[in-house]
Amino acid sequence: GQSLEQPSEVTAVEGAIVQINCTYQTSGFYGLSWYQQHDGGAPTFLSYNALDGLEETGRFSSFLSRSDSYGYLLLQELQMKDSASYFCAVRLPHYYNQGGKLIFGQGTELSVKP
Amino acid sequence: GAVVSQHPSWVICKSGTSVKIECRSLDFQATTMFWYRQFPKQSLMLMATSNEGSKATYEQGVEKDKFLINHASLTLSTLTVTSAHPEDSSFYICSARVVVKNTEAFFGQGTRLTVV
Repeated sequence: GQSLEQPSEVTAVEGAIVQINCTYQTSGFYGLSWYQQHDGGAPTFLSYNALDGLEETGRFSSFLSRSDSYGYLLLQELQMKDSASYFCAVRLPHYYNQGGKLIFGQGTELSVKP
Repeated sequence: GAVVSQHPSWVICKSGTSVKIECRSLDFQATTMFWYRQFPKQSLMLMATSNEGSKATYEQGVEKDKFLINHASLTLSTLTVTSAHPEDSSFYICSARVVVKNTEAFFGQGTRLTVV
């Protein structure tokens, strides 16, 4: 089976740094992605790691350790507009006949306070 | 960038009727599209993988006769919820995979279905 674990909610203040962890257990692994979703909206892509290490995109960074089946999303200089749900997602490889599909975690609701 | 357009954005229908949701890739060709369902405050649950020109692949527990998927062209996939019931009320989202640099997938705007 497939499972991804991430905290259900996190609260932080404006300007702070927050880290959202994700551990996964899947039958195959191609990469770990992070998506942001505001209430009522569609998920938007934030970051992707296929190899171990840190990927930085502006205020957002994502880290992956394949040996630990673990990754995290780091959000810096938090702003009120960052309040949203954040999902980690594992891309399954094609050769498992999975069509390269994404399996999502349960999501972490981030609340940014003034 | 890649744009995925989903229509309608919301729909209300009566129990027993069918509803069709369209998902279009506007500026790229998508041989594969994915359909998800999301209940409030929950994760995106993959329902099926839609393959252009062939049958969709459904996830375990998803009724293929209830959720009909058609991917007749490289830019259009449709999901039809047949004989809808109140428990089918949910947020349905499509996505298409685009590999541009490290970008993974783009999502449609989603369709809020309410069955009364």
